[in-house]
Amino acid sequence: DVVLTQTPPTLLATIGQSVSISCRSSQSLLHSNGNTYLNWLLQRTGQSPQPLIYLVSKLESGVPNRFSGSGSGTDFTLKISGVEAEDLGVYYCMQFTHYPTWTFGGGTKLELK
Amino acid sequence: EVQLVESGGGLVQPGSPLKLSCAASGFTFSSNWLNWIRQAPGKGLEWVASINPDGSSTYYPDTVKGRFVVSKDNAKNTGYLQMNNLRSEDTAMYYCARTPHWGQGVMVTVSS
Repeated sequence: DVVLTQTPPTLLATIGQSVSISCRSSQSLLHSNGNTYLNWLLQRTGQSPQPLIYLVSKLESGVPNRFSGSGSGTDFTLKISGVEAEDLGVYYCMQFTHYPTWTFGGGTKLELK
Repeated sequence: EVQLVESGGGLVQPGSPLKLSCAASGFTFSSNWLNWIRQAPGKGLEWVASINPDGSSTYYPDTVKGRFVVSKDNAKNTGYLQMNNLRSEDTAMYYCARTPHWGQGVMVTVSS
């Protein structure tokens, strides 16, 4: 089974600071069709998860461009260039390259310093 | 606008069954996979079931295999998660999802 390991588990940031979250997979997430089905989600307190990024680096509609995703194979990164208050919450990476199984990382909680 | 609305949650005793529903709108339900994910209080996300577009194939992790049954009624644009022999560790918020959209979730509490 695929395991996604996110680091750090907690991230303290000030408003305007740039931060990065790492997601490492136990298996390559490159699908035989050439796509890499690695997504990032944000779950604010008391809300359901909302999609931020799909296919490693593509922003979902309405997501600010201070969010960016990168990586390939087994190593992926989410970067926020200039944290804003509305960005606080728990970030999850998830994969469905190995469909139909969905796998989630353990989460990274972004808090204000 | 894509909408997924879960219902059917509540408080049940260990060993009891419960059936969740997921009403979908804003997309062609019959052409899409439907997935269920749960989140125990204070914990992360766990995939619990997937069903293919025509409902002919279903998939589960070992933690719920043999106890949970996922289904969909394409005529009613509704998906279901039948949960049997519930355990305390099944206590969680249950979400239905169709990439990239998620419902708001429904709470299931298993306790005597």
